[in-house]
Amino acid sequence: KAGVTQTPRYLIKTRGQQVTLSCSPISGHRSVSWYQQTPGQGLQFLFEYFSETQRNKGNFPGRFSGRQFSNSRSEMNVSTLELGDSALYLCASSLGGLAVTNEQFFGPGTRLTVL
Amino acid sequence: AQKVTQAQTEISVVEKEDVTLDCVYETRDTTYYLFWYKQPPSGELVFLIRRNSFDEQNEISGRYSWNFQKSTSSFNFTITASQVVDSAVYFCALSEARNTGNQFYFGTGTSLTVIP
Repeated sequence: KAGVTQTPRYLIKTRGQQVTLSCSPISGHRSVSWYQQTPGQGLQFLFEYFSETQRNKGNFPGRFSGRQFSNSRSEMNVSTLELGDSALYLCASSLGGLAVTNEQFFGPGTRLTVL
Repeated sequence: AQKVTQAQTEISVVEKEDVTLDCVYETRDTTYYLFWYKQPPSGELVFLIRRNSFDEQNEISGRYSWNFQKSTSSFNFTITASQVVDSAVYFCALSEARNTGNQFYFGTGTSLTVIP
């Protein structure tokens, strides 16, 4: 079974631009979560999508948004980039389901650098 | 307040030594889940174990073992006879059942270096 894939792996943008990151979950997985990893803040939860609906949301500004498609693939968008948005963005997939916490399987991440 | 605390930021051990990584969590839920992940230098987090709050039985998997103690809110991870390939950052995580779906709270990680 193929693992979680994320594209692109590396991105360099400038302040003020916007960026879209993509995540393809493991086949059969319906939940996709996004995390931001920085040296100072560690791994922080952005949001989770399940069946094309945002099910959970972390404490990030509205510049961070996401969506999920009918095939469970997910995209994350960051508008008006700031220097502090430089981070490794990790996507995780799990089976999903209601009132069930499954283990999450992570992709390799997208390394975003904002100049 | 941090829901998951990994007080050890960095640990160095010599190959073949045993090492324990500490994890202390905080939750008011009676149903919750605990996880350990390994992040090697390549960057991809690798799932190691999942534990629910009703199962306090310790688990052993090869050189890895986990000690779950609800009385002290701890979920410690021990590597026996460490190897160089164990060098990585290890994360402990908590998920509370009150949340529909997955919202993981991660600790800040412990960077383990195994010296040959």
